[in-house]
Amino acid sequence: DAKTTQPNSMESNEEEPVHLPCNHSTISGTDYIHWYRQLPSQGPEYVIHGLTSNVNNRMASLAIAEDRKSSTLILHRATLRDAAVYYCILRENRGYGNKLVFGAGTILRVKS
Amino acid sequence: DAGITQSPRYKITETGRQVTLMCHQTWSHSYMFWYRQDLGHGLRLIYYSAAADITDKGEVPDGYVVSRSKTENFPLTLESATRSQTSVYFCASSGSGGSGTQYFGPGTRLTVL
Repeated sequence: DAKTTQPNSMESNEEEPVHLPCNHSTISGTDYIHWYRQLPSQGPEYVIHGLTSNVNNRMASLAIAEDRKSSTLILHRATLRDAAVYYCILRENRGYGNKLVFGAGTILRVKS
Repeated sequence: DAGITQSPRYKITETGRQVTLMCHQTWSHSYMFWYRQDLGHGLRLIYYSAAADITDKGEVPDGYVVSRSKTENFPLTLESATRSQTSVYFCASSGSGGSGTQYFGPGTRLTVL
């Protein structure tokens, strides 16, 4: 399974943008980049995904490097409700399975 | 209600007992998954299923049994519970095509005494 590397934790101030980095140097051409987050005492929640181009949705933006070896999840204005563990995952598109391999993720703390 | 549900939400059992955790989804998703989450280990895949009657092992399948006779249900059975199976269990589902986005249930907190 392709691996991702994320910082263990990050801290942000409320109402400020947050950039969560992820390195995935072994990504293959057909792997999707997924981001999930897990709020305390809840199941993981889908945030965003992309393949090659940058993506925006109502929750966040995903910026993907041109060589696809890294990506950044951007929360445009962090709120206290964004405090969670954020997981960057490569979804491999080989065989069947749609499997996701979760790493340790980044703990995001938001200060008021 | 549409979505993915798990039952029970909390369960306490004793070592050696059989326990079944239920998962139900209303989207007719092809894929379903069972994960466990322990402190210090993150989420680990136990079993997954690509369709009714098709299941496969994940990273940590020992001690667990699954079945999938209907697309919408994916029960997970601990045939003889052990203390090491104390954990939070999450079920997820995803469609068959595209990016494989998974949608998670709220989890079942299982304690084995």
